[in-house]
Order: sequence, then C-alpha cells, then structure tokens
Amino acid sequence: GAGVSQSPRYKVAKRGQDVALRCDPISGHVSLFWYQQALGQGPEFLTYFQNEAQLDKSGLPSDRFFAERPEGSVSTLKIQRTQQEDSAVYLCASSTGTSGTRYNEQFFGPGTRLTVL
Amino acid sequence: SQQGEEDPQALSIQEGENATMNCSYKTSINNLQWYRQNSGRGLVHLILIRSNEREKHSGRLRVTLDTSKKSSSLLITASRAADTASYFCAVWDSNYQLIWGAGTKLIIKP
Repeated sequence: GAGVSQSPRYKVAKRGQDVALRCDPISGHVSLFWYQQALGQGPEFLTYFQNEAQLDKSGLPSDRFFAERPEGSVSTLKIQRTQQEDSAVYLCASSTGTSGTRYNEQFFGPGTRLTVL
Repeated sequence: SQQGEEDPQALSIQEGENATMNCSYKTSINNLQWYRQNSGRGLVHLILIRSNEREKHSGRLRVTLDTSKKSSSLLITASRAADTASYFCAVWDSNYQLIWGAGTKLIIKP
C-alpha cells in the first residue's frame, strides 16, 4: 500500500522567503508528526497532530514555523521568512496511535531537504 | 535536545561479520525503538523493545535492553551490503515526544 509521501523532495529558498512543505500520511493514521533533521544528526521533534488537533507544538523552533492539518489527513509545515539555520531535512511520520497509545511504530516519509541560501 | 546517544558514531566491517551498536538514554522509558535510515528507503522502523523486556529478536536483528543501565544494544548478524545505513535509537520522553540519538553510521565492505 501507499506509504507516507512528502513534497517537494527538495526545496531551495532564498533567505527571507516563505516555504510550505506538504505531508500525505498513510490513510487512516490518526497521529502525524513533524521532525527536523540536521546533517549528521538524528531527527528532532517539531510538532504532533492527533487528527486535526495540534496537541503538541513545543518543538517548533520559532514563531516563524507553523503547521496545520485542517481535515485530519494532509498536513502542511510552513516556514516564514526562512533563515539559513532552517536548512535541514524535514521529516513527516504517521502512526495509528492516539494520545493514549502513541508509543506505536511511526512510518516516515522520504523527507523534504530544504536549503536556504 | 537529543536523549539517546549511540556509539560508535561510525562502524566499518566486512560483509558477513556481525555489527553491534549501543545506545544510552537518560529518562525512564515506556519502550525503545531502533530505526534505520539510508538514502534509498528513508527512515524505517526496525524493532521495538518494551521496558519490561530484556531481549528481542527479529530476523538477523537482536536487541537487548538494560533499564538499570539505561542502555540498549542492536546486533546485526551476518551483515550484508544492504545493511549499510545509519542506525538510530529513539525513546519516548515524559512529554510524549520521541527523542532520537545522533545515530551510528554502519558501512559494510564487500
């Protein structure tokens, strides 16, 4: 079956531009996560959705970062006024777990590599 | 901030040999998960071990967990070229966030 997909796979932005990264989770998965992965590091948690509700956004590094999942399926991570330190791979993951059972396996998309010049 | 720490940072072995990677963490855990990441398939879940388990097997993978030492190890037996990847451990922290180590880069030489 179809896995998690993300688009675009690569994005080059000039500093100050706004970008929008899309995630299509596995159909029926309740939970959706966004992570940021710097080169040579493990992923770092950004935000978590259960259906359309954003239950945790404590990992978002600044108020320039905004995520939404309005219909409980597709999610968009938006970064406003991009800075060079935003350059990273942005990973989306989905799982079947809800807040009460959120320790389940996560299924990851291929990521979007963002380069800010 | 990263919770898990893998060692070694990098490991290069001959095909057919066994590879062992270790992970240490700081918090009390519900479970610990190992993931593999390579350029071809992205980040893939390998195995989950619960806090009340000490050892778990899946194919050529063997994971151990020592909660008293807050450490885990991943053993890959009879390594293959396709095992070349970065391996990460991840644990859930008290805020229900999955926290990752920096990973071990494994290279299998033919």
